[in-house]
Amino acid sequence: GQSLEQPSEVTAVEGAIVQINCTYQTSGFYGLSWYQQHDGGAPTFLSYNALDGLEETGRFSSFLSRSDSYGYLLLQELQMKDSASYFCALPGGSYIPTFGRGTSLIVHP
Amino acid sequence: KAGVTQTPRYLIKTRGQQVTLSCSPISGHRSVSWYQQTPGQGLQFLFEYFSETQRNKGNFPGRFSGRQFSNSRSEMNVSTLELGDSALYLCASSFEGAPQETQYFGPGTRLLVL
Repeated sequence: GQSLEQPSEVTAVEGAIVQINCTYQTSGFYGLSWYQQHDGGAPTFLSYNALDGLEETGRFSSFLSRSDSYGYLLLQELQMKDSASYFCALPGGSYIPTFGRGTSLIVHP
Repeated sequence: KAGVTQTPRYLIKTRGQQVTLSCSPISGHRSVSWYQQTPGQGLQFLFEYFSETQRNKGNFPGRFSGRQFSNSRSEMNVSTLELGDSALYLCASSFEGAPQETQYFGPGTRLLVL
């Protein structure tokens, strides 16, 4: 099967930079995705990495190291509205799509 | 483009009953996936439909079933409801369901089983 591990909670202050780590186990790798979910809302797609390296999208960046089975989501210039849960996920491909348990990000003023 | 829509948004049922949830994907999307989200288990994949065929299935009992219509709209059914089925049920659509594609989630149906 597939599994992902990520911290349950991260706190930071407005304007800071925060990194949310994710390690995974899979027999067949199709990429690593990241989703954001606000309380009471639906998950929204943030990024997808299939190759090693950094992908940047505005204030958000995502990094992947396939040799280490590791990725992270980097959020810069934190804003209060970034307070949400962040999930790393292994897309399906030949396997069942699998999500991590989520990291609750709390941004303080 | 309209987003993914799910109906109903909230539902209260009693144990033993059955329930049907509906999902309308983004226009042009042919892949629809269903997920169950609970505080204890997180987001868990139920199944994926593509062109009216179930293409992938998660580890849920046979009480959970689904189908997809020719217009890509999808329904999922849960029979003989149990208390543990209380959850947020999310559907997500994408063009073809390829791993690199963005999945667009609907707002979910919150099911409470009493």
